[in-house]
Amino acid sequence: DTAVSQTPKYLVTQMGNDKSIKCEQNLGHDTMYWYKQDSKKFLKIMFSYNNKELIINETVPNRFSPKSPDKAHLNLHINSLELGDSAVYFCASSLLAGQETQYFGPGTRLLVL
Amino acid sequence: DQQVKQNSPSLSVQEGRISILNCDYTNSMFDYFLWYKKYPAEGPTFLISISSIKDKNEDGRFTVFLNKSAKHLSLHIVPSQPGDSAVYFCAAGVSGNTPLVFGKGTRLSVIA
Repeated sequence: DTAVSQTPKYLVTQMGNDKSIKCEQNLGHDTMYWYKQDSKKFLKIMFSYNNKELIINETVPNRFSPKSPDKAHLNLHINSLELGDSAVYFCASSLLAGQETQYFGPGTRLLVL
Repeated sequence: DQQVKQNSPSLSVQEGRISILNCDYTNSMFDYFLWYKKYPAEGPTFLISISSIKDKNEDGRFTVFLNKSAKHLSLHIVPSQPGDSAVYFCAAGVSGNTPLVFGKGTRLSVIA
């Protein structure tokens, strides 16, 4: 039983397209996150939602728009994809915001051509 | 500006010996620290954590040591097993609604 799942696992697309990545957690957690792991291998927080409310929004282009229809889901929509968006995107969740262990999904490997 | 640094990109250890992975941080506000383990094509999985009020936390073969004055933490794995071969990420955070900051990771190879 997958705790944090993401779809799709791989995504290859052309520059300028719009794409979405979906994330679902079945852990009953209140907080969900999106991270980006770039070519330099750093894992960087992009967004955090607590009970469907945005609580962290790091310096991310506004082409990236997270949407949380309920606290078990946090989707990431990306408009006008650019080459530099190529990365692995990880979704994560934690019971609460703050000092809590985060559980990660398997990642979505996005390649923009 | 890297607030969390893992200066060794890779480490090779013989099976049965001790693996020591190091992590340095610059932000003195960090009050909890975590280690994650990542296999290829999978997400990071939580391994062990430590709060700044402690200097050691042990869980089976894994022990994390925290030296606040040196702003340094380390993960000890003993005895190392081939299944421990993975990338290990150090992460640090400040209590409250602040994001975790991750290091770049150290790739551990345990040789049989």
